[in-house]
Amino acid sequence: ETGVTQSPTHLIKTRGQQVTLRCSSQSGHNTVSWYQQALGQGPQFIFQYYREEENGRGNFPPRFSGLQFPNYSSELNVNALELDDSALYLCASSSKGGNTEAFFGQGTRLTVV
Amino acid sequence: GENVEQHPSTLSVQEGDSAVIKCTYSDSASNYFPWYKQELGKGPQLIIDIRSNVGEKKDQRIAVTLNKTAKHFSLHITETQPEDSAVYFCAAEVTGGGNKLTFGTGTQLKVEL
Repeated sequence: ETGVTQSPTHLIKTRGQQVTLRCSSQSGHNTVSWYQQALGQGPQFIFQYYREEENGRGNFPPRFSGLQFPNYSSELNVNALELDDSALYLCASSSKGGNTEAFFGQGTRLTVV
Repeated sequence: GENVEQHPSTLSVQEGDSAVIKCTYSDSASNYFPWYKQELGKGPQLIIDIRSNVGEKKDQRIAVTLNKTAKHFSLHITETQPEDSAVYFCAAEVTGGGNKLTFGTGTQLKVEL
């Protein structure tokens, strides 16, 4: 177990709705990254938060947004859901500085119908 | 941006045999290369990593090699066991990237009895 927890584990939403996913980082880690993993693919970097500020973003539209809280937990928000947003959303926590281990949670399986 | 290619996409070995998974990367600025194991319904689990100042690293039955000149790195699993069956992902991080990992497409490893 990594100590990174995500909620909920599964979620079904309707196209056009909004969703919020949550992540609690591992103790001692101040950086949270979010990834989207489509079925049969590797995780794709969405964005990263460090000390409550966005610290880099992948190739995802603005309807994907996030927050990090003073306790380093984080939220991923997705507006105007599309069918292609159906995926496993992964949160990874790490210590800032790069080249350090990133530990993943078990993910949230989002299905958009 | 960074691009990581991974081969093979599926690999079937007999228990006790060795398994090798290979990855290539495009950005010469990458200097951190972790490997993750993902079991069905779970998040990726870090199994070994290597930094660019090291050519090889070993941890029990698992080893990783890195050739910076050729921009490729490999995962070697010896004495495979049924519990090694999973999807394996390689990843690369650019210097100063702060754990913004670019993943390969994954290798489904099946260890047969």
